[in-house]
Amino acid sequence: DTAVSQTPKYLVTQMGNDKSIKCEQNLGHDTMYWYKQDSKKFLKIMFSYNNKELIINETVPNRFSPKSPDKAHLNLHINSLELGDSAVYFCASRRQGSDTQYFGPGTRLTVL
Amino acid sequence: GENVEQHPSTLSVQEGDSAVIKCTYSDSASNYFPWYKQELGKRPQLIIDIRSNVGEKKDQRIAVTLNKTAKHFSLHITETQPEDSAVYFCAASPGDPNTNAGKSTFGDGTTLTVKP
Repeated sequence: DTAVSQTPKYLVTQMGNDKSIKCEQNLGHDTMYWYKQDSKKFLKIMFSYNNKELIINETVPNRFSPKSPDKAHLNLHINSLELGDSAVYFCASRRQGSDTQYFGPGTRLTVL
Repeated sequence: GENVEQHPSTLSVQEGDSAVIKCTYSDSASNYFPWYKQELGKRPQLIIDIRSNVGEKKDQRIAVTLNKTAKHFSLHITETQPEDSAVYFCAASPGDPNTNAGKSTFGDGTTLTVKP
């Protein structure tokens, strides 16, 4: 059940702060994603990396910057946090040649 | 880009009844259609998927049908149980998973409540 893990699980912070969320997968997958799930439960893709290379970059504010130090990790750094950033952020991974995505447990970010 | 519409947004059924959730997609290049179940406070988990070369797939009480001509696909849950209560998401993904980014476009979700 810890194939895709995220830290922290909960993050409460003040507006204007900078924070990071980390994701790790031990499945040997090549592609990793970040999704944002808002209060209405809508699930929207933000970024995707394949073997450390950015391949999907949806319309996301520049304050969000993903970073993949290796293909098992995809971190998300958010600068100057805003109230509207409050959401659950899910990491996911996928093996090359397969369509199935495996989600992490999510990080609930609350910006006060 | 791909646009996926999902209906209904909420669905309430009595235990033992069937539930049907429908999705339509816009991109004819989409060829992979997964369904995810998300229980309260948990991660989305794949429950069933279908490819465009298949019209129907069944796994115990869950089935998915695909009409590629009409660009719609549906999730059918029979003999519903209270533990089926969750948010269900459909998604559509185009192209070859070996070459594309595996980008799935998700529907807005359906909150299913099964009343005992």
